[in-house]
Amino acid sequence: RKEVEQDPGPFNVPEGATVAFNCTYSNSASQSFFWYRQDCRKEPKLLMSVYSSGNEDGRFTAQLNRASQYISLLIRDSKLSDSATYLCVAEGPGTYKYIFGTGTRLKVLA
Amino acid sequence: GAGVSQSPSNKVTEKGKDVELRCDPISGHTALYWYRQRLGQGLEFLIYFQGNSAPDKSGLPSDRFSAERTGESVSTLTIQRTQQEDSAVYLCASSFDRRTEAFFGQGTRLTVV
Repeated sequence: RKEVEQDPGPFNVPEGATVAFNCTYSNSASQSFFWYRQDCRKEPKLLMSVYSSGNEDGRFTAQLNRASQYISLLIRDSKLSDSATYLCVAEGPGTYKYIFGTGTRLKVLA
Repeated sequence: GAGVSQSPSNKVTEKGKDVELRCDPISGHTALYWYRQRLGQGLEFLIYFQGNSAPDKSGLPSDRFSAERTGESVSTLTIQRTQQEDSAVYLCASSFDRRTEAFFGQGTRLTVV
């Protein structure tokens, strides 16, 4: 089992749609979780941290389910500018380095 | 500096040559990561430095790859006897400590011809 797994997509959605991504992780001791956004040929940039109680930032909501070992990202009212690859991050075993999922590609269509 | 700085931004090298990639983390960041990203692929973990602890080298793909970090500052990733499959973008990231978000440099695009 991969340490962090994501559905690669692509997810093609119309503007204004709500879309959700899930990401599973294998290290049950992981304490830190993040979502990053990566645009084509650019470096990843932090979208939001994921807290145990769940957190929201504008149109974006992140949640953590420890029992099932997954994190989720919900994007409401999708914009064309949301088109990107979304990477989830959890801590790996041992030294707790950050392990990235392979990313989920989102394309928002006009 | 204001952000993570990597150099060079692009490097073309001949197969069999050695290359050295540099990363200047954000000042005060104790954790530093190297990742490799092949075209159209995800981020592959290479190595992790955290403060004065021994680095986690578990992601280095072969003994041709090595990395060093001087204290909590500059890190260099060295690839010896480069092969074509080493062609990728090498990304460096740093974080304040083990549990905070990581910030990335713009990467070094390595092409082995």
